[in-house]
Amino acid sequence: KQEVTQIPAALSVPEGENLVLNCSFTDSAIYNLQWFRQDPGKGLTSLLLIQSSQREQTSGRLNASLDKSSGRSTLYIAASQPGDSATYLCAVAPRGADGLTFGKGTHLIIQP
Amino acid sequence: KAGVTQTPRYLIKTRGQQVTLSCSPISGHRSVSWYQQTPGQGLQFLFEYFSETQRNKGNFPGRFSGRQFSNSRSEMNVSTLELGDSALYLCASSLEGHVTYEQYFGPGTRLTVT
Repeated sequence: KQEVTQIPAALSVPEGENLVLNCSFTDSAIYNLQWFRQDPGKGLTSLLLIQSSQREQTSGRLNASLDKSSGRSTLYIAASQPGDSATYLCAVAPRGADGLTFGKGTHLIIQP
Repeated sequence: KAGVTQTPRYLIKTRGQQVTLSCSPISGHRSVSWYQQTPGQGLQFLFEYFSETQRNKGNFPGRFSGRQFSNSRSEMNVSTLELGDSALYLCASSLEGHVTYEQYFGPGTRLTVT
């Protein structure tokens, strides 16, 4: 059974810092990995989708990498801003399984 | 293009009642998936519909059911509500009926069972 772990569970950093969020998964048989952002009480906003054949994706200040063989992904946020404060979730689309499997998320606070 | 919409946004129900939640996908998207989010279990997959057919189902009891209409709108029904059903219910739409396509989520329906 696929399991997804996100480390750290919570992170608080001053504005302007570059930071890395980690995601690991137990089964490398995946179609893709997707990073989401969730604001309190809200739905999920898709940030980046990495197909299993890709190594990384970039969008603005965000860069996500995927190492399928080691079961790891990282989300790099450059020059963090208070508006980046949210919970960040990673999810994998496992082959042969139903639906996305999510990690528990990293709760990120950017201090002004 | 409008995003995924869910109605109602908030619901309060009593144990034993039933509830129906609605999800309208992004125009042109044919797949709708449903997820339950709780503080303890996180996000868990309920089921996926594509072209009015349930393609996949997560590990939830039969009290949870759904359907999809010809316009791709989907409804989820929970019968005989339990306190543990209190959660944020999220639906996601994608272009085609497979998790290989990017999933776009709605704002969710917050269900409280008392």
